[in-house]
Amino acid sequence: DAGVIQSPRHEVTEMGQEVTLRCKPISGHNSLFWYRQTMMRGLELLIYFNNNVPIDDSGMPEDRFSAKMPNASFSTLKIQPSEPRDSAVYFCASSPAGTNGKKLFFGSGTQLSVL
Amino acid sequence: AQSVTQPDIHITVSEGASLELRCNYSYGATPYLFWYVQSPGQGLQLLLKYFSGDTLVQGIKGFEAEFKRSQSSFNLRKPSVHWSDAAEYFCAVGPLNFGNEKLTFGTGTRLTIIP
Repeated sequence: DAGVIQSPRHEVTEMGQEVTLRCKPISGHNSLFWYRQTMMRGLELLIYFNNNVPIDDSGMPEDRFSAKMPNASFSTLKIQPSEPRDSAVYFCASSPAGTNGKKLFFGSGTQLSVL
Repeated sequence: AQSVTQPDIHITVSEGASLELRCNYSYGATPYLFWYVQSPGQGLQLLLKYFSGDTLVQGIKGFEAEFKRSQSSFNLRKPSVHWSDAAEYFCAVGPLNFGNEKLTFGTGTRLTIIP
C-alpha cells in the first residue's frame, strides 16, 4: 500500500497567488482529513470528509480556504488568494471505517511558504 | 472541552537510556487516548492507543504507555531509546463515541538522542 500521497511536497508562492494542495487517500478509507501544522498553533483540523462529503469545515480559517473531494481517491485544498500567514505544513490524513477507524494515516505533508 | 497538555517541549536523552514523555489530558468521561510520532519531514504515525481494558498498552517500536485515571495522565515510555527514536511525539485525546474528527492533539515533545 502506497499510503496517503500528497503533492507537492514543497510549495513556494507569492502573496495573492492561488495555491492548490492535493491528496490521494489510502484506497478503501472512507474518511479524509485536512490538517494544518504551525509552531504557534500546533496541529489543527481544517475540514474532514466522510464518503466524499464534507462533514465539518468549521476549522477552515477563512473563506479563502476551500476543499473538495470529487471522488474517493482524490481531494484538494485550495487557498485563494494566499497570504504569508498561510505558511505552514498542510497534512492530509485518511482513516478506514469500522473497528480500526480510530487510526489516522497521515501523508508526508506539503510545506507551504507564501512570500 | 477536552484538552491535552504535553509539559515538555524538548527532551534530550542518551542512546540506550530510558525515556518517559508526559501527557496530561482534560476530559469529562473516559477518553480515547493516542500517541503519534512524527519523524522529520514526515506525517504522524500512530504508536499506540487506549480506550479500555489493561491500562498498560504496548505499541510499535518498543513503546508503551500507561493510562492513570487518577492523574489524568497517559505517559509514553521506552526502556532503552535508539538514535532512530529522535522525532516529535504527540499525545491526542478524543471522545469514545466519535471518530477522528474530534481528536485534540497536544503541542508535541521533541526528542533528541545523543550518543
